Amino acid sequence: GNSVTQMEGPVTLSEEAFLTINCTYTATGYPSLFWYVQYPGEGLQLLLKATKADDKGSNKGFEATYRKETTSFHLEKGSVQVSDSAVYFCALSDQSSYKLIFGSGTRLLVRP
Amino acid sequence: DAGVTQSPTHLIKTRGQQVTLRCSPKSGHDTVSWYQQALGQGPQFIFQYYEEEERQRGNFPDRFSGHQFPNYSSELNVNALLLGDSALYLCASSLFRGGYTFGSGTRLTVV
Repeated sequence: GNSVTQMEGPVTLSEEAFLTINCTYTATGYPSLFWYVQYPGEGLQLLLKATKADDKGSNKGFEATYRKETTSFHLEKGSVQVSDSAVYFCALSDQSSYKLIFGSGTRLLVRP
Repeated sequence: DAGVTQSPTHLIKTRGQQVTLRCSPKSGHDTVSWYQQALGQGPQFIFQYYEEEERQRGNFPDRFSGHQFPNYSSELNVNALLLGDSALYLCASSLFRGGYTFGSGTRLTVV
């Protein structure tokens, strides 16, 4: 079945460091891919998405490119801020289903 | 514009009891999905409701049931609670095949 695998956290970075959170997926066909962010005590917020191969999603300085050849959708940001500290979830939605399938999440801690 | 509203925000129940969680979707959305998020895990799909019917169901036992009302709001019911049902329950609303908006969740603790 479809699944999403994320790198385990926590990821601890200093402010202004470069961020990469790896995400790979297993799916039939051409799923849509998402990154969601969850701040402490809150629900999920959509960060960015990509719906077809080679698409690049971007928002608030975060980027991720849909790589079908490597079945990956890695999240990157050039310069993280303390306010980026949160849990990040990679997810997919396939065309034959109505549900989102999430990875287990990666906690990011950014220190001043 | 109000987003997705869930109630209550927290509750504590005893094993064997029943619980009802409520969700009001974002204005203009007609589809409601429910997810269970255990501590330290990603959300798991429970089911989705559209036009007052369950459209798809995840791998959850029949103790989990739901309902959607004509105004698109929804309830999640869990019977015979187990300790393992302790989790954050998230509601997400959308238009058909559209993007999802998540609520802040209901934190259920079973003791």
